[in-house]
Amino acid sequence: AQSVTQLGSHVSVSEGALVLLRCNYSSSVPPYLFWYVQYPNQGLQLLLKYTSAATLVKGINGFEAEFKKSETSFHLTKPSAHMSDAAEYFCAVRGGNTPLVFGKGTRLSVIA
Amino acid sequence: EAGVVQSPRYKIIEKKQPVAFWCNPISGHNTLYWYLQNLGQGPELLIRYENEEAVDDSQLPKDRFSAERLKGVDSTLKIQPAELGDSAVYLCASSSTGIETQYFGPGTRLLVL
Repeated sequence: AQSVTQLGSHVSVSEGALVLLRCNYSSSVPPYLFWYVQYPNQGLQLLLKYTSAATLVKGINGFEAEFKKSETSFHLTKPSAHMSDAAEYFCAVRGGNTPLVFGKGTRLSVIA
Repeated sequence: EAGVVQSPRYKIIEKKQPVAFWCNPISGHNTLYWYLQNLGQGPELLIRYENEEAVDDSQLPKDRFSAERLKGVDSTLKIQPAELGDSAVYLCASSSTGIETQYFGPGTRLLVL
C-alpha cells in the first residue's frame, strides 16, 4: 500500500525567498511520485513527476523536486517565490498500476 | 487541446434530493477517474474506468452513489439521495492509460443544505 505525508499544512514565505514543501512517502513497490498545484476554485495541475529516471526532476514555473530513496522523500523547492505561487500543493504517490494516493496538501502563502 | 470538462461547476441542493455530475475527458484518454475532495484534504478516488469498464470502485458508496461511462467517453456520477456530508468538490480526471499522468478537470463544488 502507498501513503503520503506532507509536513506542514500551511507554509508562508516572503516574495523572493526559497520555497520548500516537504513530502514523505511510503510504498511497498518502486514509487511514481507527483506534485500537483491547485489554485482556488480550480482543478489540480501537474507540476512535475518522478518515474524512476533522473532523481532530480524539473517542473513548470521553476519548481523542482528531488527523489531520495534513503529518506523516502520527494520535497518540492523553488529558489525564489513569486506572488503567483500562492496556492495549495499536493504530493501524490502511485505504485505500478495502483491508484494515485494524495497527501492532505500544503497551502503556500507568499508575502510581499 | 481541450482539457477535462466538468459540469456544473457549482450545485446547491437540499438533502435527500438527487444530483448528477458530468465529465468529458481529454480526447483519446481511455482511463477516467472520479475523485472526492473534502475541504482541507487531498482528493480520494471514488471510481476508475478503463473504457466502459469500472475497474476500481471499492471506495464508491454504492448505497447512494452510482456512475456510468457509456461508450467509453463521457461519464456521469450520481448521488441519490444526497446527504449533508456529501458537500465537497467532485473532481474528474483522465489519462491515456491507467499508468500515465492524470489530468484533472476544474471540479464540481456541491453544497447540500
